[in-house]
Amino acid sequence: DVKVTQSSRYLVKRTGEKVFLECVQDMDHENMFWYRQDPGLGLRLIYFSYDVKMKEKGDIPEGYSVSREKKERFSLILESASTNQTSMYLCASSSATRGNLDGYTFGSGTRLTVV
Amino acid sequence: GENVEQHPSTLSVQEGDSAVIKCTYSDSASNYFPWYKQELGKRPQLIIDIRSNVGEKKDQRIAVTLNKTAKHFSLHITETQPEDSAVYFCAAKRGSTLGRLYFGRGTQLTVWP
Repeated sequence: DVKVTQSSRYLVKRTGEKVFLECVQDMDHENMFWYRQDPGLGLRLIYFSYDVKMKEKGDIPEGYSVSREKKERFSLILESASTNQTSMYLCASSSATRGNLDGYTFGSGTRLTVV
Repeated sequence: GENVEQHPSTLSVQEGDSAVIKCTYSDSASNYFPWYKQELGKRPQLIIDIRSNVGEKKDQRIAVTLNKTAKHFSLHITETQPEDSAVYFCAAKRGSTLGRLYFGRGTQLTVWP
């Protein structure tokens, strides 16, 4: 019954590596999002996409990029991983129908550690 | 953009008591207000939402109230149980914007048996 799937649950990468986090949804949702979650800071939006090949910066896009080549897949890329990018990364999707008045469905998250 | 403030950041209650979490928002055009529950090690899950054309919505032991004039909304949990222990997030958005939610920072609710 999993509808938003993140490819890795745990990931350990070295400083300077290029890191790809993958997210796939099977609900035909138009909107997809990447958040990072840190204790005391809640959920902070990195990037989002409302259509294939479209992307919008969120609140903390520095050091990240995204790719959406297909409707169901939204990738987050850390161009050169740094220790301050150690975090829990959550992907989410939502429908654009009903005037965008719908909540998100979240993935299970990827716990990334950069050493 | 929208700014959502959530209080308290931590809340401890005895089993059977009620719990209330409050959020305020800044954008008067916001018209959709969901609440998410995140249990330890799990994904956030939508538990209840309210749209701006209603003032209150209930679902068994949980309810959400909305005061558009004051720009605040609240989550009420009655007859709390240990399994209600989790982090709760409120959020707000305009329907016209491209699906982006603005989240509060979360409330860690602990229910003691």
